[in-house]
Amino acid sequence: DGGITQSPKYLFRKEGQNVTLSCEQNLNHDAMYWYRQDPGQGLRLIYYSQIVNDFQKGDIAEGYSVSREKKESFPLTVTSAQKNPTAFYLCASSISRDYEQYFGPGTRLTVT
Amino acid sequence: QKEVEQDPGPLSVPEGAIVSLNCTYSNSAFQYFMWYRQYSRKGPELLMYTYSSGNKEDGRFTAQVDKSSKYISLFIRDSQPSDSATYLCAMSASGRRALTFGSGTRLQVQP
Repeated sequence: DGGITQSPKYLFRKEGQNVTLSCEQNLNHDAMYWYRQDPGQGLRLIYYSQIVNDFQKGDIAEGYSVSREKKESFPLTVTSAQKNPTAFYLCASSISRDYEQYFGPGTRLTVT
Repeated sequence: QKEVEQDPGPLSVPEGAIVSLNCTYSNSAFQYFMWYRQYSRKGPELLMYTYSSGNKEDGRFTAQVDKSSKYISLFIRDSQPSDSATYLCAMSASGRRALTFGSGTRLQVQP
């Protein structure tokens, strides 16, 4: 089955620690995205990548970092510089820009 | 003012009702319009994808786009309790980097 996997489903961290969220897709999509969702709000774009070894900042990139070393993988690191890291993180992919995006199941990060 | 406005609800309807969900937007460059369904604590699931103006039907779902009014709608016929979820509209302009989402409308279909 083709799709997007995110792991883990739930993640708990202490304040001041960096944490990496995994996103893998086997859809052979070129473009991948990371969004953040907070209660009662729409999705906000953190980072996106249109091709391997290339990525761009989204609207709320501060305190986050990404890499795109392989087409199928786009991990997101939430650093200690992120002021309010507790949120639901969603990874998405699309064939390329301008095409519909498909989402993974999400990772719920709680930082205390 | 947000680029995309969506009534947060909750919208409560009886089973079998026709549901109308709407979004308005301000950016006239938007050409691609999507509706996603999101169950609690799950990732959004793509329901409908339309380009430019017009209607698109898929089973019980119909998406409408009126670019002149900057208004999009999703209609659900014969609503079911399993349709209870948050519905997100999303849109983008050609060549733009990613989607702009509405904040979502929570729908409850009462059996």
